[in-house]
Amino acid sequence: KNEVEQSPQNLTAQEGEFITINCSYSVGISALHWLQQHPGGGIVSLFMLSSGKKKHGRLIATINIQEKHSSLHITASHPRDSAVYICAVRSTGAQKLVFGQGTRLTINP
Amino acid sequence: EAQVTQNPRYLITVTGKKLTVTCSQNMNHEYMSWYRQDPGLGLRQIYYSMNVEVTDKGDVPEGYKVSRKEKRNFPLILESPSPNQTSLYFCASSLWWGGRNTEAFFGQGTRLTVV
Repeated sequence: KNEVEQSPQNLTAQEGEFITINCSYSVGISALHWLQQHPGGGIVSLFMLSSGKKKHGRLIATINIQEKHSSLHITASHPRDSAVYICAVRSTGAQKLVFGQGTRLTINP
Repeated sequence: EAQVTQNPRYLITVTGKKLTVTCSQNMNHEYMSWYRQDPGLGLRQIYYSMNVEVTDKGDVPEGYKVSRKEKRNFPLILESPSPNQTSLYFCASSLWWGGRNTEAFFGQGTRLTVV
């Protein structure tokens, strides 16, 4: 079992829909990252969380440390949100990020 | 502008021909790392560096070398590339490793094909 599990693996929605991507992890962490990767493009860090909730524009990220779970929400989704979204955790005691497999999001106009 | 710069973005090479992928950051970050991304396997760490002259192996270090002679640069060296090193490579940096509020910055990626 992977240390970081994302769901769903693929998600297709219509423009304007509310999107939720989930991330569960099994290790102790000091922080959790949500990353965005466009096709053929680099990786951009959207959020880094160690507790609670963060909001940036139409994106909201939450984390529940006790349940070892995080969610990324996109409100009023737009085709330009189409990308792969990756959850990554900083495991305590290891100098590396552990990545989920990614969620491929497609927003149709 | 704060950034991590990788070069080249695309590279096709032949088996056994030594190559170097450069990575440079302009944020005075202590921590730098290399990852490879493969379909179905996701991102995996190759090597990392906690500071100048301090490097260590990640999960998949075989066939790679790194050096950290200056804080800003962290090149990835493939002494004798093989086709199984065909992959998308990312360099990343952050201010330092231990804190809860240290953002990670990624380069644009290098798509390497070894034939």
